[in-house]
Amino acid sequence: GQQVMQIPQYQHVQEGEDFTTYCNSSTTLSNIQWYKQRPGGHPVFLIQLVKSGEVKKQKRLTFQFGEAKKNSSLHITATQTTDVGTYFCGGGGADGLTFGKGTHLIIQP
Amino acid sequence: DVKVTQSSRYLVKRTGEKVFLECVQDMDHENMFWYRQDPGLGLRLIYFSYDVKMKEKGDIPEGYSVSREKKERFSLILESASTNQTSMYLCASRFVGYTFGSGTRLTVV
Repeated sequence: GQQVMQIPQYQHVQEGEDFTTYCNSSTTLSNIQWYKQRPGGHPVFLIQLVKSGEVKKQKRLTFQFGEAKKNSSLHITATQTTDVGTYFCGGGGADGLTFGKGTHLIIQP
Repeated sequence: DVKVTQSSRYLVKRTGEKVFLECVQDMDHENMFWYRQDPGLGLRLIYFSYDVKMKEKGDIPEGYSVSREKKERFSLILESASTNQTSMYLCASRFVGYTFGSGTRLTVV
């Protein structure tokens, strides 16, 4: 079945530093979605990418979908304490999303 | 905003009990999902449904069943609860992005 790998598992940054998480699929994806889960909360939908090579921005967040539609990245510029949480990617297939295990972002003030 | 409501935030059940987890969404979505979330394992799909009375197995359906008698309600059933089913259970509905409920933390003792 489809597998989605996400790295790194944990990322410690100083506040103000940039952060990137990467998502790789074993198969070509129809789309990819990104979610954020705050500590103690539930995953919240951030964005969906559909087109090969697509790049979308939301304020300090930049999302990319690879040309082969098998990988994606989320980049946060100048992290803030409000960015703390776990970021999940979900690869779209025939039976809905297969999620990566997430990247835990820990920010040190 | 779409709202997905899970009936219980915390639940403690005994081994062998039959457990019902209820989920209701208020936006007339056809697609609904049940995931469990465990540390280090991420979000794993148990069952999903694309329509009333329709259900499909996800990646880890063993020990679980579901019911979708009405469009807005998707129930997860643990036929005979076991300690390895202690977990956070998340329900979601989808139009484009998934909207998750707040989760039910189930402990089986």
